[in-house]
Amino acid sequence: DSGVTQTPKHLITATGQRVTLRCSPRSGDLSVYWYQQSLDQGLQFLIQYYNGEERAKGNILERFSAQQFPDLHSELNLSSLELGDSALYFCASSVDGNVGNTIYFGEGSWLTVV
Amino acid sequence: DQQVKQNSPSLSVQEGRISILNCDYTNSMFDYFLWYKKYPAEGPTFLISISSIKDKNEDGRFTVFLNKSAKHLSLHIVPSQPGDSAVYFCAASAFGTYKYIFGTGTRLKVLA
Repeated sequence: DSGVTQTPKHLITATGQRVTLRCSPRSGDLSVYWYQQSLDQGLQFLIQYYNGEERAKGNILERFSAQQFPDLHSELNLSSLELGDSALYFCASSVDGNVGNTIYFGEGSWLTVV
Repeated sequence: DQQVKQNSPSLSVQEGRISILNCDYTNSMFDYFLWYKKYPAEGPTFLISISSIKDKNEDGRFTVFLNKSAKHLSLHIVPSQPGDSAVYFCAASAFGTYKYIFGTGTRLKVLA
């Protein structure tokens, strides 16, 4: 158990809909990352937050947004969903988000868009 | 543009032998590298890391080698065990960028 909690574990929704994925980082970690893993793809970096502020951005679509709240939990919002958004979404956390610190992953949220 | 590449999607090794997983990168600014292991239905778990100031780091059965001039790193597992069967991801980052770029993974199967 990495200490990173993600909900829901599985989600099935229709095209055009909007979903929210939730992540609670490990106790004491201030930084949260979101990654997307599509079929046969590596882990694509989406976005990173540190203590409530966006710190780094990757290949995150404009239809997607994220935030980190004062209690340090984070949410990833996916809207106008398309079939291609079906993927495993991972949240990870680290102490301060600096390179050199290990990042710890949650078990992921499986999103299926039908 | 895939900055971190794992060109072998899969690898099979006999139990007790050495497993060598390879990773290549294109960005010369990368200076910190990690390996993660992932079992089905679980999140990736940290295995071992190496900074660019080193060329080798060991942790038990796992050793990571870094060749900066070739922009190549490898993970050696000796001896390989059936429980090592998993997908292995390498990741790279540059100080100041705050993000880790992952490869596409190599599925290791250790045969008993």
